[in-house]
Amino acid sequence: AQSVTQLGSHVSVSEGALVLLRCNYSSSVPPYLFWYVQYPNQGLQLLLKYTTGATLVKGINGFEAEFKKSETSFHLTKPSAHMSDAAEYFCAGGPGGATNKLIFGTGTLLAVQP
Amino acid sequence: NAGVTQTPKFQVLKTGQSMTLQCAQDMNHNSMYWYRQDPGMGLRLIYYSASEGTTDKGEVPNGYNVSRLNKREFSLRLESAAPSQTSVYFCASSDGAPLHFGNGTRLTVT
Repeated sequence: AQSVTQLGSHVSVSEGALVLLRCNYSSSVPPYLFWYVQYPNQGLQLLLKYTTGATLVKGINGFEAEFKKSETSFHLTKPSAHMSDAAEYFCAGGPGGATNKLIFGTGTLLAVQP
Repeated sequence: NAGVTQTPKFQVLKTGQSMTLQCAQDMNHNSMYWYRQDPGMGLRLIYYSASEGTTDKGEVPNGYNVSRLNKREFSLRLESAAPSQTSVYFCASSDGAPLHFGNGTRLTVT
């Protein structure tokens, strides 16, 4: 069965430090992969997506993620954290085009310390 | 452009009561979805509708029913609410990837 695993339910970084949120997937075929961000009392917003093509994907707010097939990973990074980045982040993946089969990770809550 | 609109935002029910969560999208998307979000469990698909007139079960459909009223609207009904249905419910829509989410309905069943 396909699965998406986010390592670390809570991550804390200092303002200005590197943000690294980890996501691994299991799939027998290259999946579509997504990172979503959820601010308090709001829905999920798309940060970035990988479908096909370039494996380094740039998203909004300075975030990027790299699809590494050999490591079955799609980690989210940002060079310098801002206070406004504090939120919960969800990795999701599924077979291309089948959004009804999208699997979400359990989420990582990012705290940014001043 | 409102995107995906969910009503109500908050609801408290007693065990055994029924209610319908409403969802409407204005992006002319064919597919709509209902998810529930529980701490430490991410989002789990309850039901989805690939197109107007069709609905299918997702991962956790028990205790729920849905209606795709038209292309814009997709409602979720709890016929007899149980405490295990305390959760945050999200509606989403799409035409392929990615999903576009509403702001959620926070439901508490006592």
